[in-house]
Amino acid sequence: QVTLRESGPALVKPTQTLTVTCTFSGRSFSTNGMCVNWIRQPPGKALEWLALFDWDDDKYYTTSLKTRLSISKDTSKNQVVLKMTDLDPADTATYYCARIKKPREAATIFYYYGMDVWGQGTTVTVSS
Amino acid sequence: DIQMTQSPSSLSASVGDRVTISCRASQSISAHLNWYQHKPGQAPKLLIYAASNLQSGVPSRFSGTGSGTHFTLTISNLQPEDFATYYCQETYRTFGQGTKVEVK
Repeated sequence: QVTLRESGPALVKPTQTLTVTCTFSGRSFSTNGMCVNWIRQPPGKALEWLALFDWDDDKYYTTSLKTRLSISKDTSKNQVVLKMTDLDPADTATYYCARIKKPREAATIFYYYGMDVWGQGTTVTVSS
Repeated sequence: DIQMTQSPSSLSASVGDRVTISCRASQSISAHLNWYQHKPGQAPKLLIYAASNLQSGVPSRFSGTGSGTHFTLTISNLQPEDFATYYCQETYRTFGQGTKVEVK
């Protein structure tokens, strides 16, 4: 079973760049057929999907933040990293990573099984 | 972008009640709809994927129906551990605004 753990700075200043890391581990897990998502939740607000990294190197970003986001992987460390530039206090949130396991059947859409494993989240405050 | 609208935003219920939450998409999403449960301080938990498929380990009192633009999550026989916020999500992207299930 795979486990995900987010890490990142607790406090970031406005206009700076945020780097949050999702590290995954587990016995007998494989990155084959795996997608990693980043989702955030501002205090008192709803979940917001940010980005998806397909281990086959496809990347998807939410339209509203596309110019500020970049997602990448570090295969040697079993990590997916999200960078967000030009931070604003409105970016204060708990940032979660979550896995989508792609179906073995190529004809089935890659996100079919939903986000079945989530990390506990890392809380980021943007303030001067 | 597709917009997801849940109703109600909150509801009060008692243990043993049957609870129904609605989710509407701004355009057809076929059956590409997931439901999550979220409790404060915890990671969200996948309940239903592809509109009606119960995630492994999730109690059978949870069920999902719908396709196209209208979807429903039903909790039959509400249990104390079910008081939480529930979110729908289209494909892998947009979440609804959430429905908070509170104690009556």
